[in-house]
Amino acid sequence: AQSVSQHNHHVILSEAASLELGCNYSYGGTVNLFWYVQYPGQHLQLLLKYFSGDPLVKGIKGFEAEFIKSKFSFNLRKPSVQWSDTAEYFCAVDPTGGGNKLTFGTGTQLKVEL
Amino acid sequence: GAGVSQSPSNKVTEKGKDVELRCDPISGHTALYWYRQRLGQGLEFLIYFQGNSAPDKSGLPSDRFSAERTGESVSTLTIQRTQQEDSAVYLCASSLADTVLWYTFGSGTRLTVV
Repeated sequence: AQSVSQHNHHVILSEAASLELGCNYSYGGTVNLFWYVQYPGQHLQLLLKYFSGDPLVKGIKGFEAEFIKSKFSFNLRKPSVQWSDTAEYFCAVDPTGGGNKLTFGTGTQLKVEL
Repeated sequence: GAGVSQSPSNKVTEKGKDVELRCDPISGHTALYWYRQRLGQGLEFLIYFQGNSAPDKSGLPSDRFSAERTGESVSTLTIQRTQQEDSAVYLCASSLADTVLWYTFGSGTRLTVV
């Protein structure tokens, strides 16, 4: 079945460590790709999105993601995490490349320790 | 309003009872979406409203689920004869245009069916 996979369910890092969260999807054709973040007690917020152009996308708070079409991947990265990055991170795909519904991964819970 | 408002924030109900969840979108947002997040799973699309067009109900899991929206205002999601598997966080999002690129999410309603 078509899906979005986030292989890391729980990640624990120390402050200043580098972060990479994996996201793979199984849709062919044109897609729009997103990372959302949910900080404790807050609503889902858009971190970054890709829909065309440069496959390396920069988002808020120093996050970036790289779209690799051949690998059907859109991994999220941050060179140096902070305690305030503790949150749940969701990868999402618009499988029609211009539609109105998102398919989400199961999320990755990130805990950053001091 | 400034954001997407959902109420109640928490709801505990007995199995078999009906519940109504409310979403108040950002003023001027023509599109409104309902998603569900069950424990350990990603967000699942439920239903989508765009202006006065017929809603896209393709994600509703059973005929116990229904939703209404009058024009571009408040939406209510109704679950009849609740079951334990209905326990989840129900999220509403609205967008200015008919596209996932502009979603704003609410904080959700946590429904627990006991």
